[in-house]
Amino acid sequence: DAGITQSPRYKITETGRQVTLMCHQTWSHSYMFWYRQDLGHGLRLIYYSAAADITDKGEVPDGYVVSRSKTENFPLTLESATRSQTSVYFCASSGTGTGNGYTFGSGTRLTVV
Amino acid sequence: AQSVTQLGSHVSVSEGALVLLRCNYSSSVPPYLFWYVQYPNQGLQLLLKYTSAATLVKGINGFEAEFKKSETSFHLTKPSAHMSDAAEYFCAVSDGVGGGNKLTFGTGTQLKVEL
Repeated sequence: DAGITQSPRYKITETGRQVTLMCHQTWSHSYMFWYRQDLGHGLRLIYYSAAADITDKGEVPDGYVVSRSKTENFPLTLESATRSQTSVYFCASSGTGTGNGYTFGSGTRLTVV
Repeated sequence: AQSVTQLGSHVSVSEGALVLLRCNYSSSVPPYLFWYVQYPNQGLQLLLKYTSAATLVKGINGFEAEFKKSETSFHLTKPSAHMSDAAEYFCAVSDGVGGGNKLTFGTGTQLKVEL
């Protein structure tokens, strides 16, 4: 089915471990984004990508790494997870214009213990 | 830099009453404004958008918002609340409609609808 899917939906990991959150979209949208959602902060942009092999930092990039080797995939990696990275992570995509806003995935709830 | 302020992190209304969720923006260029809704354990869905056409924008589920440049506001309203409207609502601003224009979100307003 067409859409944007995130996996896993829920993840518990230990401090110091590396974890990768997956995002896959089927619209061939050029732009993809990673946000984290925290109480009292709304959504904050972590990284974004304008196309395959083109990525850039957002508001809160520290501790995260992204890659985009294919247009449809935009994985987010926490290199060494910390408790402050416990959050809900949303992936979003957009076509050539944000006139229609972004389309969001269902999110990944990550808990770092 | 652009920003959005949502007044009131929690709003409670009775079923059938008017819904008013407040959003004020700051932008150095003509803004593009959006309202999103998030139901529990789901992603965000676009409710409506303002992209410099009509200042009164109608969205899905009976919601509408009015862009007021003089007040730098983009408040969301619905004449009659329904139980199914209970959700979190986010206002967002973009400095353009190109795909590379990033959205900046407010902190959200949780809407509770009571019988």
